[in-house]
Amino acid sequence: AQKVTQAQTEISVVEKEDVTLDCVYETRDTTYYLFWYKQPPSGELVFLIRRNSFDEQNEISGRYSWNFQKSTSSFNFTITASQVVDSAVYFCALVMDSSYKLIFGSGTRLLVRP
Amino acid sequence: DTGVSQNPRHKITKRGQNVTFRCDPISEHNRLYWYRQTLGQGPEFLTYFQNEAQLEKSRLLSDRFSAERPKGSFSTLEIQRTEQGDSAMYLCASSWDREEETQYFGPGTRLLVL
Repeated sequence: AQKVTQAQTEISVVEKEDVTLDCVYETRDTTYYLFWYKQPPSGELVFLIRRNSFDEQNEISGRYSWNFQKSTSSFNFTITASQVVDSAVYFCALVMDSSYKLIFGSGTRLLVRP
Repeated sequence: DTGVSQNPRHKITKRGQNVTFRCDPISEHNRLYWYRQTLGQGPEFLTYFQNEAQLEKSRLLSDRFSAERPKGSFSTLEIQRTEQGDSAMYLCASSWDREEETQYFGPGTRLLVL
């Protein structure tokens, strides 16, 4: 079965703190893609990053970084020096090569307080 | 370069009425997807088109739901005889088969069935 688990329902931090959002996935496919999306209060899902299953290199983009570890089936997302504008719901998602549908986790609501 | 657009953004209807939503994908994208998101949950896949062909439908898509994508351009999602349980955000996404399955989402249509 394919599944994405985001165990953290809600996280609250003070501005400038670092925060890590956890994502664990399950799939039997050897080729798959992992994604993170941001959903601000406006509701639109904003694409942040894509990783394919053959590329375990970590990635950094500004204050954002992603840690992909196939050994633990995890794809964690870290925001460094968080800002109030980072407040949103963040979704981790999986696409198998055998299907095109995104399988989403239940999301983690991040609240960054000033 | 415009993104995915959806109309209407909000719809309030009475139980038993029919509703239709429209999605206009990013112009060069050949794949189009519909998802449904209820409060506090991640989006769930409903159906997927490659050009004008509907290639996959979820079990969530009961026979009251129908989707079309004439000429492989915009798509419509119709719900007949709406029920209160249909109240949700309906999200449309599009992708290009040369971009490793990255799906870009529209702002969604929020449906409330009274």
